[in-house]
Amino acid sequence: DAGITQSPRHKVTETGTPVTLRCHQTENHRYMYWYRQDPGHGLRLIHYSYGVKDTDKGEVSDGYSVSRSKTEDFLLTLESATSSQTSVYFCAISGSGLAGGTTGELFFGEGSRLTVL
Amino acid sequence: DAKTTQPPSMDCAEGRAANLPCNHSTISGNEYVYWYRQIHSQGPQYIIHGLKNNETNEMASLIITEDRKSSTLILPHATLRDTAVYYCIVRVGQTGANNLFFGTGTRLTVIP
Repeated sequence: DAGITQSPRHKVTETGTPVTLRCHQTENHRYMYWYRQDPGHGLRLIHYSYGVKDTDKGEVSDGYSVSRSKTEDFLLTLESATSSQTSVYFCAISGSGLAGGTTGELFFGEGSRLTVL
Repeated sequence: DAKTTQPPSMDCAEGRAANLPCNHSTISGNEYVYWYRQIHSQGPQYIIHGLKNNETNEMASLIITEDRKSSTLILPHATLRDTAVYYCIVRVGQTGANNLFFGTGTRLTVIP
């Protein structure tokens, strides 16, 4: 299994509070992604990173920010959590085709379940 | 990236082949077909991918029509552990940070 660790795995918080989810990889893969999954919507991309300090927006980026100061860590921050951000968040990684991963598949973490009351 | 159409659900008897269809009629020449599955609430798992030739690995076979407008994922001998949601995705190229559109997939139930 790909070395991906998400933390925390479960979190309950209140509306208006900041929340940070962490994704840590031990595979030295270049690309990292944050997805959210909600019933009836499948998986939707929030943000992704193509290198240290290089990030870009995905399909549903409003209300979220990300940071990648090291290859192995990709942080997802909800500056002021809202109930609509209650979801399961998945981190994923993929290789560049040069070092680590030549077929482009994504490796996913186990997910972080966030509940915003 | 081209969008895909999959049936929302399918059943398959244990031990029989499961054939999961996917329509991608707007696929471009440089787009690959990828299949993932998600068992219960776990993270999705890569299964197989292909461009235009049929592909087989230890998990499944992928059959892509000659016009590439549709494909079928085949699980040759379905087991109860194959019960999952299966996602068909098309994407440009094999690497890079493409935005993968997962959709809602097909929920496969393997029946004892």
